[in-house]
Amino acid sequence: NAGVTQTPKFRVLKTGQSMTLLCAQDMNHEYMYWYRQDPGMGLRLIHYSVGEGTTAKGEVPDGYNVSRLKKQNFLLGLESAAPSQTSVYFCASSPLEEMNTEAFFGQGTRLTVV
Amino acid sequence: AQKVTQAQTEISVVEKEDVTLDCVYETRDTTYYLFWYKQPPSGELVFLIRRNSFDEQNEISGRYSWNFQKSTSSFNFTITASQVVDSAVYFCALSERNNAGNMLTFGGGTRLMVKP
Repeated sequence: NAGVTQTPKFRVLKTGQSMTLLCAQDMNHEYMYWYRQDPGMGLRLIHYSVGEGTTAKGEVPDGYNVSRLKKQNFLLGLESAAPSQTSVYFCASSPLEEMNTEAFFGQGTRLTVV
Repeated sequence: AQKVTQAQTEISVVEKEDVTLDCVYETRDTTYYLFWYKQPPSGELVFLIRRNSFDEQNEISGRYSWNFQKSTSSFNFTITASQVVDSAVYFCALSERNNAGNMLTFGGGTRLMVKP
């Protein structure tokens, strides 16, 4: 009963390096999201996907790219990491059938850019 | 645009006290959904409740209760007889009916510290 799994859980990057965060869900959900959490600002939406092969920008998309090649996976890429991208990243998914149901969140990825 | 405000950034109480966490929201949509999530020190996000805009009934679940008032755009959360295990960051969130993809707008969170 895995739910939403994020890989990796922790990562330290040097400025300018690139990396990809992987989110996998086994609930056959249509919708998937990437949020970042910063102190005092709650969670903010980076990008989201309403289905396989589709992506859209959220509130804070700059510096990130995403892909949804398979329904169960949603990848978040940082092409050239910056210290401002130090944050905790959460992936979430939700089903299409029931409007505005709660999102199911992964455990989070703590990323530090030095 | 939608917005969620949690004015209390930190609250500290002594065990067994009652505590209310405030949430005020803004939306132009007539159909929307409100949520509360808990984030314990371990970091995961735990879903607590969902409420749609047409249901203003208050809800009680054990020591937890929620007061939804459309007239004041508020969705407050009360913990009765708080316990140390209630120590966490609590987030209020909003989703509008017309959102493509049901994405959530979160408040900044309230850190609750319950001391023994």
